Amino acid sequence: AQSVTQLDSQVPVFEEAPVELRCNYSSSVSVYLFWYVQYPNQGLQLLLKYLSGSTLVKGINGFEAEFNKSQTSFHLRKPSVHISDTAEYFCAVSFTNTGNQFYFGTGTSLTVIP
Amino acid sequence: NAGVTQTPKFRILKIGQSMTLQCTQDMNHNYMYWYRQDPGMGLKLIYYSVGAGITDKGEVPNGYNVSRSTTEDFPLRLELAAPSQTSVYFCASSKTGGLDYGYTFGSGTRLTVV
Repeated sequence: AQSVTQLDSQVPVFEEAPVELRCNYSSSVSVYLFWYVQYPNQGLQLLLKYLSGSTLVKGINGFEAEFNKSQTSFHLRKPSVHISDTAEYFCAVSFTNTGNQFYFGTGTSLTVIP
Repeated sequence: NAGVTQTPKFRILKIGQSMTLQCTQDMNHNYMYWYRQDPGMGLKLIYYSVGAGITDKGEVPNGYNVSRSTTEDFPLRLELAAPSQTSVYFCASSKTGGLDYGYTFGSGTRLTVV
C-alpha cells in the first residue's frame, strides 16, 4: 500500500538550534516529493520539491531536504531555526501511478522556543 | 494578484442544513482541488477538477458535490450537513497538476456543524 508518514507530531526546538522533520513513504512506484508549510490561520505554501536529479533539494527560508530512495525518506532540515519558523509542516507525495493526486502526511508542528 | 480566494472564512451550520463553499482563482490554472483538514489527520482530497466541465472524486467525496462551469470557480456543496463534516476546508489550484510548481492554496474555510 502507498502511504506517507510523519512520525513526529510535535517538535519543540530552541531558537538558532538545528532541526530535522522526518518524512517516510511507502511505494512500489516512483514518487515526487514535496514539503509544505502552514502558518497559523493560513493556507499551505510550498517550501521545496523533489522531482528528479540531485537528491539534495534547497527551498525557501533556508530549508533543505534530502531524498533517500533506499530508506524511502525525504527529511526536512534547517541548520538554525528562527522564531518565525514556528508553523505546521506537511510532507506530500505524488505517486506516479495516481495521476494528479497528492497524499499528505499528518503534519509536524514545529515550535521554536526563544 | 489575489491567487486563490475562499469564502466564507468561518461558518456554523446546523445538522441537516446545506451550504456552498466558494473558491475562485485568478491565475488561469486548469487544475483545482478541495481538501479537508482534520486535526492529526493531515489533508484529505475531496474532489478535484482538471478543467472546466471535468470533475472527479478524491479520497473522501461522500456528502459533497462540486461543479466546474468556469476555469476560475470551483464551488463545493455540502448537502445535509453532519457533525463529521466539521473541518477546515482548503481549496487549491495548480498550473500543471502540481508536479512542477506545487499547489497554490486558499486561506481556508473553518466549518462547524452543530
